[in-house]
Amino acid sequence: RKEVEQDPGPFNVPEGATVAFNCTYSNSASQSFFWYRQDCRKEPKLLMSVYSSGNEDGRFTAQLNRASQYISLLIRDSKLSDSATYLCVVNGDTGGFKTIFGAGTRLFVKA
Amino acid sequence: GAVVSQHPSWVICKSGTSVKIECRSLDFQATTMFWYRQFPKQSLMLMATSNEGSKATYEQGVEKDKFLINHASLTLSTLTVTSAHPEDSSFYICSATSWTSGRTQETQYFGPGTRLLVL
Repeated sequence: RKEVEQDPGPFNVPEGATVAFNCTYSNSASQSFFWYRQDCRKEPKLLMSVYSSGNEDGRFTAQLNRASQYISLLIRDSKLSDSATYLCVVNGDTGGFKTIFGAGTRLFVKA
Repeated sequence: GAVVSQHPSWVICKSGTSVKIECRSLDFQATTMFWYRQFPKQSLMLMATSNEGSKATYEQGVEKDKFLINHASLTLSTLTVTSAHPEDSSFYICSATSWTSGRTQETQYFGPGTRLLVL
């Protein structure tokens, strides 16, 4: 089993749609969680951190469920510019700081 | 957000040559720098973790004698791909972390990446 698993997609949605991505992680000792966005042939950029209480940033909402070991990202009112690959990132284990990236979920938003 | 630069942005070289990639944190001192490699349509794979003034920690399967990492200062880390071969062609990305007072999560800031093509 992969340490961090994501549905690779692609998700093809029309503008204005709401889309949700899930990500599961295997190490229950993981300490911090992020969603990154990666555009084609570019470096990943931090989209948002994920907290146990859930957090929202504009059209984006992230949730963490430690009991079930998954995190989610919800995008409302999708824009064409949201088209990208979304990477789930999990930090930390009992041995110290270590970052594991998911393989990413591809999103295409169409007009 | 913090800025991390990489140089060069792309390089083409002949098989057998060595290539050095620089990673710099421009406006903060990075406690730790990371080196990743990403093949087309695949996830980022951590190669090594680099702390200033100490030896890098390499991930399983990454040859430390082939991928030399030097972290001479809190703002500069270098990755040298020695005796590069076509299978080393990839997108190499560095990232740097900086603890922010009051935060419990450590954010990584990525460089723009270096595309290496070995002929």
